[in-house]
Amino acid sequence: DAKTTQPNSMESNEEEPVHLPCNHSTISGTDYIHWYRQLPSQGPEYVIHGLTSNVNNRMASLAIAEDRKSSTLILHRATLRDAAVYYCILFGNEKLTFGTGTRLTIIP
Amino acid sequence: SAVISQKPSRDICQRGTSLTIQCQVDSQVTMMFWYRQQPGQSLTLIATANQGSEATYESGFVIDKFPISRPNLTFSTLTVSNMSPEDSSIYLCSVEDLGTGTTEAFFGQGTRLTVV
Repeated sequence: DAKTTQPNSMESNEEEPVHLPCNHSTISGTDYIHWYRQLPSQGPEYVIHGLTSNVNNRMASLAIAEDRKSSTLILHRATLRDAAVYYCILFGNEKLTFGTGTRLTIIP
Repeated sequence: SAVISQKPSRDICQRGTSLTIQCQVDSQVTMMFWYRQQPGQSLTLIATANQGSEATYESGFVIDKFPISRPNLTFSTLTVSNMSPEDSSIYLCSVEDLGTGTTEAFFGQGTRLTVV
């Protein structure tokens, strides 16, 4: 299964943009890039996903490198409620395989 | 969207016993998955629950330890058998509609299991 690499932790100030990087150098042509986040004591929550083009939704933006070997999740204006573990996942072979994720801390 | 109900939400069990966790979805879905999240760790896929046939297990997980049923497109159960303290984890049910990655996955709130 293709793997992802993310920084273990990141910090950001409240109301500032946050860029969460993810490397996936072994991605296959049919793998979708998914991002989920997990708040304390909850199941993971969908954030965004894409294949090749950049994607935007009400929660975030996803920037995908042209060679698809990396991507960046962008939270445009972080709030305290965005403090969570963010997982970058490749959806392939009909399953989601989680990596270690990035623990995002928001500083008031 | 899909709403997932997992039962029980938590349990404390004696070693050597078994616990069955239920996952109920409010709509028919193609793919259902079971994950384990050990304390402080990420999620590890246990198996894909297949409707009407045997589940597909990931490396390191076996049917005798984690039997799974999926009688229809909205319900599945995971049993943790002959439990030991090492089985203390959060067990999560997840669903996804197509299995292609083109749609989002949904997760239950999890079942927090403590084995004593």
